[in-house]
Amino acid sequence: GAVVSQHPSRVICKSGTSVKIECRSLDFQATTMFWYRQFPKQSLMLMATSNEGSKATYEQGVEKDKFLINHASLTLSTLTVTSAHPEDSSFYICSARMEFEVDGYTFGSGTRLTVV
Amino acid sequence: GQNIDQPTEMTATEGAIVQINCTYQTSGFNGLFWYQQHAGEAPTFLSYNVLDGLEEKGRFSSFLSRSKGYSYLLLKELQMKDSASYLCAVMDSNYQLIWGAGTKLIIKP
Repeated sequence: GAVVSQHPSRVICKSGTSVKIECRSLDFQATTMFWYRQFPKQSLMLMATSNEGSKATYEQGVEKDKFLINHASLTLSTLTVTSAHPEDSSFYICSARMEFEVDGYTFGSGTRLTVV
Repeated sequence: GQNIDQPTEMTATEGAIVQINCTYQTSGFNGLFWYQQHAGEAPTFLSYNVLDGLEEKGRFSSFLSRSKGYSYLLLKELQMKDSASYLCAVMDSNYQLIWGAGTKLIIKP
Protein backbone atom coordinates (compact mmCIF):
# COMPACT_ATOMS: atom_id res chain seq x y z
CA GLY A 1 0.00 0.00 0.00
CA ALA A 2 0.86 3.67 -0.14
CA VAL A 3 3.49 4.81 2.34
CA VAL A 4 4.41 8.26 3.57
CA SER A 5 7.74 8.48 5.32
CA GLN A 6 8.01 11.26 7.91
CA HIS A 7 11.23 12.36 9.58
CA PRO A 8 12.30 12.98 12.21
CA SER A 9 10.03 11.05 14.53
CA ARG A 10 11.18 13.01 17.55
CA VAL A 11 13.09 16.25 17.88
CA ILE A 12 14.06 18.43 20.79
CA CYS A 13 15.22 21.93 19.98
CA LYS A 14 16.08 25.10 21.81
CA SER A 15 13.73 28.03 21.84
CA GLY A 16 14.42 30.37 18.93
CA THR A 17 15.82 27.75 16.58
CA SER A 18 14.16 26.28 13.49
CA VAL A 19 13.16 22.70 12.84
CA LYS A 20 12.44 21.07 9.50
CA ILE A 21 10.10 18.09 9.17
CA GLU A 22 10.06 16.06 5.97
CA CYS A 23 7.37 13.92 4.45
CA ARG A 24 8.08 11.74 1.46
CA SER A 25 5.58 9.64 -0.47
CA LEU A 26 7.51 6.48 -1.25
CA ASP A 27 5.52 4.72 -3.92
CA PHE A 28 3.08 7.26 -5.24
CA GLN A 29 2.87 10.87 -6.27
CA ALA A 30 1.31 13.07 -3.64
CA THR A 31 -0.34 15.94 -5.42
CA THR A 32 -1.76 17.23 -2.16
CA MET A 33 -0.14 17.16 1.27
CA PHE A 34 -1.92 18.08 4.48
CA TRP A 35 -0.09 19.17 7.60
CA TYR A 36 -1.72 18.64 10.97
CA ARG A 37 -0.87 19.50 14.52
CA GLN A 38 -2.18 17.57 17.49
CA PHE A 39 -1.93 18.65 21.10
CA PRO A 40 -2.29 16.07 23.87
CA LYS A 41 -5.76 14.61 24.19
CA GLN A 42 -7.02 16.71 21.31
CA SER A 43 -7.94 15.88 17.75
CA LEU A 44 -6.00 16.63 14.63
CA MET A 45 -5.98 20.29 13.66
CA LEU A 46 -5.33 21.05 10.01
CA MET A 47 -2.60 23.66 9.68
CA ALA A 48 -2.20 23.92 5.94
CA THR A 49 -2.77 22.25 2.63
CA SER A 50 -0.08 22.24 -0.02
CA ASN A 51 -0.21 21.32 -3.66
CA GLU A 52 2.92 20.51 -5.59
CA GLY A 53 4.42 23.58 -7.22
CA SER A 54 2.12 26.13 -5.62
CA LYS A 55 1.89 28.05 -2.37
CA ALA A 56 0.33 26.37 0.61
CA THR A 57 -3.10 27.32 1.85
CA TYR A 58 -3.03 28.01 5.56
CA GLU A 59 -5.92 27.60 7.96
CA GLN A 60 -7.13 30.57 9.91
CA GLY A 61 -4.90 31.35 12.86
CA VAL A 62 -1.83 29.57 11.48
CA GLU A 63 1.09 31.91 10.85
CA LYS A 64 2.45 31.23 7.39
CA ASP A 65 5.71 33.02 8.17
CA LYS A 66 6.27 30.80 11.17
CA PHE A 67 5.27 27.50 9.62
CA LEU A 68 6.94 27.38 6.24
CA ILE A 69 5.68 24.71 3.90
CA ASN A 70 7.43 23.66 0.74
CA HIS A 71 6.02 21.13 -1.71
CA ALA A 72 8.60 21.34 -4.46
CA SER A 73 8.06 17.87 -5.87
CA LEU A 74 5.33 15.26 -6.07
CA THR A 75 7.12 13.10 -3.52
CA LEU A 76 8.42 15.58 -0.97
CA SER A 77 6.84 18.18 1.27
CA THR A 78 8.53 19.93 4.18
CA LEU A 79 7.30 21.89 7.16
CA THR A 80 9.76 24.24 8.85
CA VAL A 81 8.89 25.60 12.26
CA THR A 82 10.84 28.85 12.46
CA SER A 83 11.90 30.53 15.69
CA ALA A 84 10.30 27.76 17.68
CA HIS A 85 8.85 28.46 21.12
CA PRO A 86 7.73 26.07 23.85
CA GLU A 87 4.08 26.56 22.84
CA ASP A 88 4.97 25.05 19.44
CA SER A 89 5.68 21.77 21.17
CA SER A 90 3.22 19.34 19.64
CA PHE A 91 2.75 16.27 17.48
CA TYR A 92 2.97 17.18 13.79
CA ILE A 93 1.57 14.78 11.19
CA CYS A 94 1.51 14.93 7.43
CA SER A 95 -1.02 13.24 5.23
CA ALA A 96 -0.90 12.77 1.51
CA ARG A 97 -3.75 12.21 -0.88
CA MET A 98 -3.28 10.44 -4.15
CA GLU A 99 -4.82 12.14 -7.12
CA PHE A 100 -8.23 10.74 -8.10
CA GLU A 101 -8.29 8.58 -4.99
CA VAL A 102 -11.14 9.85 -2.86
CA ASP A 103 -10.30 7.59 0.06
CA GLY A 104 -6.58 7.57 -0.53
CA TYR A 105 -5.35 9.42 2.53
CA THR A 106 -2.07 8.12 3.90
CA PHE A 107 -0.49 9.47 7.06
CA GLY A 108 3.11 9.86 7.98
CA SER A 109 4.22 8.44 11.31
CA GLY A 110 4.27 11.85 12.98
CA THR A 111 6.93 14.06 14.55
CA ARG A 112 6.99 14.81 18.26
CA LEU A 113 8.48 18.30 18.62
CA THR A 114 9.61 19.49 22.01
CA VAL A 115 10.91 23.04 22.33
CA VAL A 116 12.89 23.73 25.48
CA GLY B 1 -20.42 25.75 10.92
CA GLN B 2 -19.00 22.32 10.61
CA ASN B 3 -19.22 19.98 13.54
CA ILE B 4 -18.31 16.40 14.35
CA ASP B 5 -19.47 14.95 17.67
CA GLN B 6 -18.32 11.73 19.30
CA PRO B 7 -18.06 10.65 22.92
CA THR B 8 -14.87 11.64 24.70
CA GLU B 9 -14.25 8.32 26.37
CA MET B 10 -15.72 4.83 26.57
CA THR B 11 -14.86 1.77 28.60
CA ALA B 12 -15.50 -1.83 27.60
CA THR B 13 -14.49 -5.32 28.65
CA GLU B 14 -12.15 -7.62 26.79
CA GLY B 15 -14.13 -9.98 24.55
CA ALA B 16 -17.19 -7.75 24.50
CA ILE B 17 -18.68 -5.50 21.80
CA VAL B 18 -18.59 -1.71 21.76
CA GLN B 19 -20.25 0.84 19.50
CA ILE B 20 -18.73 4.28 19.05
CA ASN B 21 -21.12 6.86 17.64
CA CYS B 22 -20.39 9.89 15.51
CA THR B 23 -22.77 12.62 14.39
CA TYR B 24 -21.83 15.28 11.92
CA GLN B 25 -22.92 18.53 10.35
CA THR B 26 -20.71 19.57 7.46
CA SER B 27 -20.80 21.65 4.31
CA GLY B 28 -21.17 18.85 1.82
CA PHE B 29 -20.37 15.20 2.23
CA ASN B 30 -17.94 13.05 0.34
CA GLY B 31 -17.58 10.22 2.77
CA LEU B 32 -16.87 9.41 6.38
CA PHE B 33 -13.72 7.84 7.74
CA TRP B 34 -12.85 6.04 10.93
CA TYR B 35 -9.26 5.99 12.09
CA GLN B 36 -7.55 4.32 15.02
CA GLN B 37 -4.83 6.21 16.84
CA HIS B 38 -2.62 4.79 19.56
CA ALA B 39 -0.99 7.27 21.89
CA GLY B 40 2.00 8.98 20.29
CA GLU B 41 1.35 7.45 16.89
CA ALA B 42 -0.24 8.62 13.66
CA PRO B 43 -3.80 7.57 12.83
CA THR B 44 -4.30 4.36 10.89
CA PHE B 45 -7.18 3.88 8.48
CA LEU B 46 -10.04 1.64 9.55
CA SER B 47 -12.96 2.32 7.24
CA TYR B 48 -14.53 4.59 4.68
CA ASN B 49 -18.30 4.90 4.12
CA VAL B 50 -19.87 7.00 1.42
CA LEU B 51 -23.14 5.10 0.95
CA ASP B 52 -25.73 4.29 3.58
CA GLY B 53 -25.42 0.95 5.25
CA LEU B 54 -23.05 -1.31 7.09
CA GLU B 55 -19.53 -2.14 5.98
CA GLU B 56 -18.00 -5.12 7.72
CA LYS B 57 -14.28 -5.75 7.88
CA GLY B 58 -13.27 -8.50 10.25
CA ARG B 59 -13.90 -7.53 13.88
CA PHE B 60 -14.67 -3.95 12.86
CA SER B 61 -17.83 -2.68 11.16
CA SER B 62 -18.86 0.83 10.24
CA PHE B 63 -22.36 2.11 9.61
CA LEU B 64 -23.53 5.27 7.89
CA SER B 65 -26.85 7.08 7.63
CA ARG B 66 -26.45 10.19 5.52
CA SER B 67 -29.99 11.39 6.14
CA LYS B 68 -29.36 11.36 9.89
CA GLY B 69 -25.78 12.62 9.72
CA TYR B 70 -24.80 9.61 11.79
CA SER B 71 -22.22 6.88 11.79
CA TYR B 72 -21.00 4.28 14.21
CA LEU B 73 -17.97 2.06 14.50
CA LEU B 74 -18.66 -1.39 15.95
CA LEU B 75 -15.82 -3.36 17.47
CA LYS B 76 -16.42 -7.01 18.27
CA GLU B 77 -14.43 -9.51 20.34
CA LEU B 78 -12.50 -6.70 21.94
CA GLN B 79 -8.83 -7.22 22.59
CA MET B 80 -6.55 -5.27 24.89
CA LYS B 81 -4.70 -3.92 21.85
CA ASP B 82 -7.91 -2.19 20.78
CA SER B 83 -7.35 0.35 23.54
CA ALA B 84 -6.80 3.52 21.52
CA SER B 85 -8.50 6.67 20.35
CA TYR B 86 -10.96 6.32 17.50
CA LEU B 87 -11.33 9.32 15.24
CA CYS B 88 -14.32 10.06 13.06
CA ALA B 89 -13.65 12.32 10.08
CA VAL B 90 -15.90 13.61 7.33
CA MET B 91 -14.73 14.70 3.90
CA ASP B 92 -16.52 17.90 3.01
CA SER B 93 -17.45 19.34 -0.36
CA ASN B 94 -13.89 20.62 -0.83
CA TYR B 95 -12.53 17.12 -0.20
CA GLN B 96 -11.00 18.27 3.08
CA LEU B 97 -11.22 16.11 6.18
CA ILE B 98 -13.09 17.52 9.15
CA TRP B 99 -12.02 15.67 12.28
CA GLY B 100 -13.89 14.78 15.42
CA ALA B 101 -12.08 15.10 18.74
CA GLY B 102 -11.76 11.34 19.02
CA THR B 103 -13.12 8.76 21.43
CA LYS B 104 -10.67 7.22 23.86
CA LEU B 105 -11.57 3.56 24.25
CA ILE B 106 -10.37 1.83 27.39
CA ILE B 107 -10.46 -1.96 27.43
CA LYS B 108 -10.51 -3.70 30.79
CA PRO B 109 -9.68 -7.36 31.36
